[in-house]
Amino acid sequence: RKEVEQDPGPFNVPEGATVAFNCTYSNSASQSFFWYRQDCRKEPKLLMSVYSSGNEDGRFTAQLNRASQYISLLIRDSKLSDSATYLCVVNSGNTPLVFGKGTRLSVIA
Amino acid sequence: ETGVTQTPRHLVMGMTNKKSLKCEQHLGHNAMYWYKQSAKKPLELMFVYNFKEQTENNSVPSRFSPECPNSSHLFLHLHTLQPEDSALYLCASSQVPGTSVNNEQFFGPGTRLTVL
Repeated sequence: RKEVEQDPGPFNVPEGATVAFNCTYSNSASQSFFWYRQDCRKEPKLLMSVYSSGNEDGRFTAQLNRASQYISLLIRDSKLSDSATYLCVVNSGNTPLVFGKGTRLSVIA
Repeated sequence: ETGVTQTPRHLVMGMTNKKSLKCEQHLGHNAMYWYKQSAKKPLELMFVYNFKEQTENNSVPSRFSPECPNSSHLFLHLHTLQPEDSALYLCASSQVPGTSVNNEQFFGPGTRLTVL
């Protein structure tokens, strides 16, 4: 089983839609969780950290379920500028971050 | 504006050339990383340096040779590369995992390498 698994997509959604991405991780000792965003031909950038209680940043909501070992990202009212690849990232303490393969989102006018 | 810079941004080289990629971070971090990202493929971790010491080498061919002279600078020396080595090479930095509550990695803009 891969350490971090994501549906690669692509997810093609109209503007204004709500879209959700899920990610599962295999290491139950994982401690920190993140969502990164990578635009085409650019470097990944941190979108948001994921906290146990769930957290929200504007139109973006991240959730963590430790029992089931999955993380989710919800994007409400999608904008054209949200089109990118979203990377699920997990950290197990003393090791480098483990990146998922990413989920590609295309928001269509 | 990222605190991690990489040069050159684009590089075209022949299979017999020797070139070097440079990365510099201005964030006070003490861990640096090299990643490879081929077209439509996920990030592949190549090397990790913690406090200037190499701690990971993910079975990278010896034609890629990293160098970390200090915590702020990281090089990737390239020689006798193959066309399949063409990719985006990304440098990143962070605090050494396990030494800080903040594990975020900051990436440089990458060097897009084409091997002819």
